[in-house]
Order: sequence, then structure tokens, then C-alpha cells
Amino acid sequence: DIQMTQSPSSLSASVGDRVTITCRASQIISNFLNWYQQKPGKAPKLLIYAASSLQSGVPSRFSGSGSGTDFTLTISGLQPEDFATYYCQQSYSTPHTFGGGTKVEIK
Amino acid sequence: QLQLQESGPGLVKPSETLSLTCTVFGGSISTSSYYWGWIRQPPGKGLEWIGNTYYSGTTYYNPSLESRVSISADTSKNQFSLRLSFVTAADTAAYFCARGIVVVAGTPFDYWGQGTLVTVSS
Repeated sequence: DIQMTQSPSSLSASVGDRVTITCRASQIISNFLNWYQQKPGKAPKLLIYAASSLQSGVPSRFSGSGSGTDFTLTISGLQPEDFATYYCQQSYSTPHTFGGGTKVEIK
Repeated sequence: QLQLQESGPGLVKPSETLSLTCTVFGGSISTSSYYWGWIRQPPGKGLEWIGNTYYSGTTYYNPSLESRVSISADTSKNQFSLRLSFVTAADTAAYFCARGIVVVAGTPFDYWGQGTLVTVSS
């Protein structure tokens, strides 16, 4: 199985901050990497697919980059509605594993 | 607007079989452009991929569950289902169904059900 390691597991940030979350795969996954946002009691929401493509309707302050084994999700100008948990997921090979999540909290 | 809705018992006894159904509204499951999956999340923990089913009939399962899990589709009802046998307390989780996109790079899940909590307890 491909292991997905996210860092940090949690972070505190202020509104307006630039936030970066990283995801590392245990083997090369090309660009088969997706990012989701989850708020408490809700289903995950797709933000970024194929490492860097912005899902329709998602604000442009969200961006993704990377290829191979190392990937980054960046939020440029954190908004109050962005406080949530973020997960990466690889779809290169089954099982389509998720990272452990990064909880973004208010400072 | 596509909607997915999970349904099934919220309480299952240990050693019995968990059965959930996902009904898809606003779109057909009989299309090769999409696939259909199940994901679960134990209380306070992260997401675990359970498996996917494709238009071709192909299914893929998480090896950690493969001996106990089955995913099937009923195109006449526009539903797909999850069965997990011999459940234990470790199977207590919110279970989500989701649609995946085959024709897009990354093949992500773009629509999710709201999730249903299943508790395993006697």
C-alpha cells in the first residue's frame, strides 16, 4: 500500500495568513493526488484534483502543487470559513489511501 | 444537482453484517464516466477508503477489509451497496458514499453523501 504522510497534523493561523500543508507519498504517484476539506459533522469536499487543478466553485485562494512524491496545498489569505481539516488522497493505485489529515485552527 | 444518500441500520451487533445503500439522485450510475465508492471515518479519526465499483462491473477493495467486504450496484434502482461481514467495534464509523470521476486526471471523488453513523454494539 502507498502511505500518505501529511504535515503538520495541526496548525494555528490567523485570518489573512498564508497556510501551507504538505503531503508525501511513500512511492511515486505522478500527479494522482487530490485534496479535500472537511468541516465537523460534514462530508469531505473536493478542493484540488490531479495535484494542481482547482475544482469548479472552489475559491482561487486554494492552490496545489507537486508531482512524484511531494505535494503542497496552499491557502493564500486564510478566511474564517477555511478553518477545517484537510486531507490528501492518492488515486495512483489501490487502496486509494488518505493522509492522516491536517487540522487548521484559529490562532 | 447530483445528490447521494446513504441509508441503513445505525446499530449493528458484533459478528453480524453491516449493510448500507447509497441512492443517487439527479444522475445515473450507469455511465462509464464515473465510478462509485465507499469511505469510512471512525469517530474523531481520519478517512479510510473502503472500495470502488465501476460501470464495467469491476470492483476494488481495501486489502485490510477484502475478506469481509462487498460492493455491488443495482442500476434498476440507481443504487449501490456496501456489505461488511463479521463486524466488530473497530468498524464503528461514519460511512460515506461518493462519486468518482473516471475521465478526469486524479480520478477524484467529486460528490459525497452526507454520511451515516454505524455503531457496532450488542
